[in-house]
Amino acid sequence: GAVVSQHPSRVICKSGTSVKIECRSLDFQATTMFWYRQFPKQSLMLMATSNEGSKATYEQGVEKDKFLINHASLTLSTLTVTSAHPEDSSFYICSVSGLGVETQYFGPGTRLLVL
Amino acid sequence: GENVEQHPSTLSVQEGDSAVIKCTYSDSASNYFPWYKQELGKGPQLIIDIRSNVGEKKDQRIAVTLNKTAKHFSLHITETQPEDSAVYFCAASLKNSGGYQKVTFGTGTKLQVIP
Repeated sequence: GAVVSQHPSRVICKSGTSVKIECRSLDFQATTMFWYRQFPKQSLMLMATSNEGSKATYEQGVEKDKFLINHASLTLSTLTVTSAHPEDSSFYICSVSGLGVETQYFGPGTRLLVL
Repeated sequence: GENVEQHPSTLSVQEGDSAVIKCTYSDSASNYFPWYKQELGKGPQLIIDIRSNVGEKKDQRIAVTLNKTAKHFSLHITETQPEDSAVYFCAASLKNSGGYQKVTFGTGTKLQVIP
């Protein structure tokens, strides 16, 4: 399977600031990348899907102006949480997939805490 | 949209016993069913998957069965070991209009293997 990294693994920020999370596909041409959010003891909730070079498609209820996604290359996608608030504190996980590939391979996740 | 139900939510077994987790899905168009293992504070890891044209698949101590007619699929872990303790997620996936596989996750099963 694909090897996926995320940076940072943990981040603490003040309310009102912006935080950028990187997702890198180290050995796989990720034509599609997904961003999920997971609250404690809950399942993964898809936030958005991005195809390389295209605008991201957001799930219903996810604010695209708050969660900015950029997928500029086949190996890198970024998620920027703008004007973060305490309710944005969560575990953010990216996954990657490719053309004709059914499987999604997940990164290790980023724990965000907004104070 | 697709709805995936997963049972049980928690499962405790003695080391060496078997564990079974069951899932149902609603959309008959779903054609790919991965299972993920998530350890605390980490991203989900694919452990086994099955496609809709197959009824059963086995990989060492892990097996998955699929009943397309009943829209049921199950994960079987034999000879459980303490390191099998984790949260397990089933998922149902289908190719959407955007051309990528959209995955819907179950609610998760916390498996505890007691030494």
